Amino acid sequence: QKEVEQDPGPLSVPEGAIVSLNCTYSNSAFQYFMWYRQYSRKGPELLMYTYSSGNKEDGRFTAQVDKSSKYISLFIRDSQPSDSATYLCAMTSNTGNQFYFGTGTSLTVIP
Amino acid sequence: NAGVTQTPKFQVLKTGQSMTLQCAQDMNHEYMSWYRQDPGMGLRLIHYSVGAGITDQGEVPNGYNVSRSTTEDFPLRLLSAAPSQTSVYFCASSQSNPYEQYFGPGTRLTVT
Repeated sequence: QKEVEQDPGPLSVPEGAIVSLNCTYSNSAFQYFMWYRQYSRKGPELLMYTYSSGNKEDGRFTAQVDKSSKYISLFIRDSQPSDSATYLCAMTSNTGNQFYFGTGTSLTVIP
Repeated sequence: NAGVTQTPKFQVLKTGQSMTLQCAQDMNHEYMSWYRQDPGMGLRLIHYSVGAGITDQGEVPNGYNVSRSTTEDFPLRLLSAAPSQTSVYFCASSQSNPYEQYFGPGTRLTVT
């Protein structure tokens, strides 16, 4: 069983839609949860990270963590064509040395 | 700051050849790591280092060696390339907050 599961999509939405991206995990030791955005043929860039359970908001992006369900989400409000990319979830334990990534979800926002 | 740089951008190797992928950062970051990215597999950690002289294995270390003699550089060595090592390799670094990793642009490696 993979440590982190993520639906690869692809996901296609109209401009202005709310996008929901999700990951599940199996290791209860994970405490830090991150979302990265990766444009085609580029390295991933960190969007945001959260610690333990709860929500975190940054502009149009909201990250949610439900540790009881081992489920994390990223919501994108008012999606823009520039949001078209692959979104990767990642997580690690308190030591922060080994990171586990999801396979990524490909998102296209249609103008 | 140049951030995290990787060389080469592209490389083609024959089975059995060896090579070193270079990674450098100019942000004085202590934590550095190497990942490979394959379709359907996501990013998988190969090796990581928490400081000069300290390295450890990640999820998929077989076939790869690393060393960390300076804070700035973290090269990845392929000892005897195999077609299964065809992949995109990313180097990353972070400082006081290891969860904020900065990734390089990647090296696309093909082993024939």
